[in-house]
Amino acid sequence: EDQVTQSPEALRLQEGESSSLNCSYTVSGLRGLFWYRQDPGKGPEFLFTLYSAGEEKEKERLKATLTKKESFLHITAPKPEDSATYLCAVLGDTGFQKLVFGTGTRLLVSP
Amino acid sequence: EAQVTQNPRYLITVTGKKLTVTCSQNMNHEYMSWYRQDPGLGLRQIYYSMNVEVTDKGDVPEGYKVSRKEKRNFPLILESPSPNQTSLYFCASSLPTGGYVTQYFGPGTRLTVL
Repeated sequence: EDQVTQSPEALRLQEGESSSLNCSYTVSGLRGLFWYRQDPGKGPEFLFTLYSAGEEKEKERLKATLTKKESFLHITAPKPEDSATYLCAVLGDTGFQKLVFGTGTRLLVSP
Repeated sequence: EAQVTQNPRYLITVTGKKLTVTCSQNMNHEYMSWYRQDPGLGLRQIYYSMNVEVTDKGDVPEGYKVSRKEKRNFPLILESPSPNQTSLYFCASSLPTGGYVTQYFGPGTRLTVL
């Protein structure tokens, strides 16, 4: 059974204080690992897709990396507007288009 | 603007009163899916549809029905809602291009069943 575990559950940072969020996964035949951002009361907003170990993608202050067992979302010099819940999901080869989500990391960036 | 829309956004109902949550996308996506999100459990798939008239169960289908008569619409039907279906519901859609796809989510429907 595909599983995704995210840590920490919650993270509080000062503005400018860089850190990383972790997503550990077990999946049968990884077809993609996805990062989403979710603001309170809203739907998940797509950030990145990673397909194979060693791949990296960047967007503004965010950088996602992937190994065979985990993915990291690095946040460099965060700002208060980066406060949100960050969700990780995997797509394996069992179940057509079935995303398996972690429970997310709640990030709060204080000014 | 490319988007997934859901209606209603908020709904309070009583046990046993049939309801439908609508989902519509304007991106000509073949694949659509419904998820529910509960604290501590994350997003779990209820049903999905690979195309018109093709639907299948996800992880938590009990108590739900879906239909896909048009490509753009994928309504979620609760024939006899119960309090354990109180949750935040999301519809998503994507193009199944080569199996490596990105799912785009609607804004969510917060359902309370009393």
